[in-house]
Amino acid sequence: AQSVTQLGSHVSVSEGALVLLRCNYSSSVPPYLFWYVQYPNQGLQLLLKYTSAATLVKGINGFEAEFKKSETSFHLTKPSAHMSDAAEYFCAVSTNAGGTSYGKLTFGQGTILTVHP
Amino acid sequence: NAGVMQNPRHLVRRRGQEARLRCSPMKGHSHVYWYRQLPEEGLKFMVYLQKENIIDESGMPKERFSAEFPKEGPSILRIQQVVRGDSAAYFCASSRTGGSGANVLTFGAGSRLTVL
Repeated sequence: AQSVTQLGSHVSVSEGALVLLRCNYSSSVPPYLFWYVQYPNQGLQLLLKYTSAATLVKGINGFEAEFKKSETSFHLTKPSAHMSDAAEYFCAVSTNAGGTSYGKLTFGQGTILTVHP
Repeated sequence: NAGVMQNPRHLVRRRGQEARLRCSPMKGHSHVYWYRQLPEEGLKFMVYLQKENIIDESGMPKERFSAEFPKEGPSILRIQQVVRGDSAAYFCASSRTGGSGANVLTFGAGSRLTVL
């Protein structure tokens, strides 16, 4: 079984500041890791994904995340926050374990990002 | 190219009524997933379907909930005799294939169910 923990249910930054959203996962087999963003009253949009290629993954809107196996982490960062980044962010994990190799995602509880002018 | 279409976007039901939520996957996608998002929580997997087959329903409550994905038409999540605890956002997602955990799911905008 896999699990995801997102540290900090709310993160607040100033416009132009670094964004760091933390995600730790637990999996007994190699994981696939995802970050999704959800704007109010909308569905989830994929930001980026890690699928065992490069450990530093670049996504849309200037976001990137680094897979660190030793730390079981997949933190999301953006060098300079923009007002439009205000949303809820979800980290998710899936695997190919148990013969059920499909898109069954386990999500973290989400982090709400607030960006102040 | 329309994305994943869910309807209704908002549904209000009284306790004991039935709720039916519909999901049309992206064109070319034959794999459908339903997730539920309770207030203040992340999304929880409910069920995974392919056309005319339920592949994994391990996240479905044992009673009152059912899902189908017929040969023709949208996937339907049905909740019978709704209770207040069923109030949530229900998200449908689809993918082109189901062969890997690396599959990217495309999510719909969700159906928000409110039970009075």
